[in-house]
Amino acid sequence: AQKVTQAQTEISVVEKEDVTLDCVYETRDTTYYLFWYKQPPSGELVFLIRRNSFDEQNEISGRYSWNFQKSTSSFNFTITASQVVDSAVYFCALSEAGGSQGNLIFGKGTKLSVKP
Amino acid sequence: DTEVTQTPKHLVMGMTNKKSLKCEQHMGHRAMYWYKQKAKKPPELMFVYSYEKLSINESVPSRFSPECPNSSLLNLHLHALQPEDSALYLCASSQGAGFGSDTQYFGPGTRLTVL
Repeated sequence: AQKVTQAQTEISVVEKEDVTLDCVYETRDTTYYLFWYKQPPSGELVFLIRRNSFDEQNEISGRYSWNFQKSTSSFNFTITASQVVDSAVYFCALSEAGGSQGNLIFGKGTKLSVKP
Repeated sequence: DTEVTQTPKHLVMGMTNKKSLKCEQHMGHRAMYWYKQKAKKPPELMFVYSYEKLSINESVPSRFSPECPNSSLLNLHLHALQPEDSALYLCASSQGAGFGSDTQYFGPGTRLTVL
């Protein structure tokens, strides 16, 4: 069965702290895709990254970095030197190559609050 | 450009009203989606349109009626809604037909309140 677990419901940090959001997934497919989305209070889900199961290279984009480890079925997201604008709910999601159309399985989300 | 637009931003309606939500994308994407999101929950898929045809209906009540007039436009017609239908309704689109590797790009959503 496919599943995405974001064990951290809420995280609160002070500006400039580094913070890591955890994501653990379950799937039986050998080909799958992992995503992170950001949802600020305005409501829009903003796409951040997609990673396929064959590409375990870590990725860095500015203050954002992602650590994909197939051995532990994890796809963690780190924000370096956090800023107030990073305050949002972050969703990790999974889709399988063999899944049905639109079958994007979301975790429950982690609410990040960055205080000045 | 990965912009999906939705109108209106907010909608308040009574249980006997008929209203419509509109979603538009001009990225040439072939699949469009409707999601419902309740507070503090992840989005839940309602419908998928692929090449302008309804391909997925996740057992959504008939008081929600989707329509895809053309490849850029997706509507959600609402009729006889219940207060528990109050939620954020998100539209998304993706370049491919909506399978595994497709990245879904979301619009800003419509916050619906049913009185």
